Parts: sequence; C-alpha cells; structure tokens
Amino acid sequence: AQTVTQSQPEMSVQEAETVTLSCTYDTSESDYYLFWYKQPPSRQMILVIRQEAYKQQNATENRFSVNFQKAAKSFSLKISDSQLGDAAMYFCAYRGGQGAQKLVFGQGTRLTINP
Amino acid sequence: ETGVTQTPRHLVMGMTNKKSLKCEQHLGHNAMYWYKQSAKKPLELMFVYNFKEQTENNSVPSRFSPECPNSSHLFLHLHTLQPEDSALYLCASHYGTTQYFGPGTRLTVL
Repeated sequence: AQTVTQSQPEMSVQEAETVTLSCTYDTSESDYYLFWYKQPPSRQMILVIRQEAYKQQNATENRFSVNFQKAAKSFSLKISDSQLGDAAMYFCAYRGGQGAQKLVFGQGTRLTINP
Repeated sequence: ETGVTQTPRHLVMGMTNKKSLKCEQHLGHNAMYWYKQSAKKPLELMFVYNFKEQTENNSVPSRFSPECPNSSHLFLHLHTLQPEDSALYLCASHYGTTQYFGPGTRLTVL
C-alpha cells in the first residue's frame, strides 16, 4: 500500500522569505500523481500544485514550485516570497495511475507566516 | 471557491439523532467522494461514487450511509453515531487527475 509522510508537523517563516515543506512517499508504481493541497482556517481544501510522475520537469505555479525526486520518492514544496495568506495546513497527497481514484494523504504541515 | 458546496457547515447531534450531510457540485464531474478528517490524523477516504454507483467503501461502519441520487449530489446519512465520529467531513469531486474539495461539515456528536 502507498504511504505519504510529512515529517514536519509545523513550520514557520518570515514574511517575504522562502520556505520548503518536505514530503516523502512509498509506492511500487511507476505511473502516479502527486499533489500539494492547502487548507486554511476556513477549512476549504485548495489544490496548490500537481506533478505527474512521468514528467521530469518540476511543476511551478507562480510562487509555488516543487522539487520532485522520483528515485528518492521525495516531493517537496517551495513557497517563495511568503505572504500572510499562505498560512495554512499543507497536505501532500498521492494518487496512483491507470484510473486510480483514491488519494492518500500525509499528516499535514502547519505553516505559520511571521510578519 | 472550488464549485463544490456542502451543507450544513456545522452540525451538533446527539447519539440517537438521525441527520444528513449534503454535497453538491455542478461542475460536470462524475466521481464524488466522502472523506473524514479527524484531529491529528490524515484524511481518511470513506466512500467513492462513480456515475452514481458506489465503487469504494473503505470499511466504514454502517452508521454512515451514503446516497448518490445523481452525479451532482451526494449525501451522507448519519444515525446512532458515537462521540469519536466527531470530525470534519469533506466532500470532493473528481475531474481528470484532480479532486476538488468542498468546505466541509464540522460534526460534533454529543
């Protein structure tokens, strides 16, 4: 069974600085998808970024980028120029390929932005 | 806003009550999900529906009863719940490779 591990329960960063959230996963599949979701205090789970395992290029969405290391099964999220609105729980998630629908989530990392 | 709505946002119920949670999406997605989010635990998948048919039940107790009358609506019927069932219940719908979540219902069982 696939597992997702986020080893940092909490992180904090100064506003405008850069922070990296860690995620590792375990799978025997070669085709899969990885996601970072953000859950602010409003509780709405919002997709931040998505990475297809077959793509070597790291995904980027504005200030958010990932460092996808397939061999190491690592999928970290980098947030540049941190803003107060980035404060939230961040969840890393895995979805298998070939029509798989189940998302496997990590335990989450609570990110605090210090003004 | 993701286009997935859930009602009610908050619910307090006794162990003998019967209540229902509602999820709605008009995004044209054909798969819908119920997740349970408890404090300090990863999100747990409960049920998956594809084209109104249940395709996954993740060993959920029978006091939780899902219903999917059409591809746009998903219900979770609750009866004789236990205090440990208190949690945030999230609905999601699926398009392509991505799931889109509703805002959740915060359930408290007294």
